[in-house]
Amino acid sequence: QKEVEQNSGPLSVPEGAIASLNCTYSDRGSQSFFWYRQYSGKSPELIMSIYSNGDKEDGRFTAQLNKASQYVSLLIRDSQPSDSATYLCAAQNKGDYKLSFGAGTTVTVRA
Amino acid sequence: DAGVTQSPTHLIKTRGQQVTLRCSPISGHKSVSWYQQVLGQGPQFIFQYYEKEERGRGNFPDRFSARQFPNYSSELNVNALLLGDSALYLCASTLVSGEDIQYFGAGTRLSVL
Repeated sequence: QKEVEQNSGPLSVPEGAIASLNCTYSDRGSQSFFWYRQYSGKSPELIMSIYSNGDKEDGRFTAQLNKASQYVSLLIRDSQPSDSATYLCAAQNKGDYKLSFGAGTTVTVRA
Repeated sequence: DAGVTQSPTHLIKTRGQQVTLRCSPISGHKSVSWYQQVLGQGPQFIFQYYEKEERGRGNFPDRFSARQFPNYSSELNVNALLLGDSALYLCASTLVSGEDIQYFGAGTRLSVL
């Protein structure tokens, strides 16, 4: 079983719609969670970090964490063509600088 | 402030050769991590260094080695290259003091022929 799994893509949404990305993790020691955006051929760019159960909002992005269900999600509201990218979910244990990444979900926003 | 810088940007090698990749962290960051990203997959952890000491190692063969210098820059070495080593190699730096966020460099794309 992979440490971090993401919902299989690709995900295609119309411009202005909500894109919903899901991620599950297997290590209950994971305490920090991150969503990175990666454009084709580029390096990962941090979008959100979340550490506590509940929701965290930053602009059009909302991350949700449920440690009991070992589940992390990312919502992208009012999706724009510039949001078209691969979104990587990553988990990290306390005191450990290793990030465990999922395989990524590719999102395409149709104009 | 400059971000994480990696060199070279692209590299082409043949099987059996050796390669050295370089990384300079964000100013003030003391930890550097290395990841390998094969096309279509998420990054896989290779090494993490903090204050010049290895703090973690992923599931990679001994052909992979790294070190961190007193100025916190780092090198990743790969010996006896295999075709399967073709990937994007990413370096990430972390402040450490009160923040665990990893900031990635642009990466080095290695092609092994």
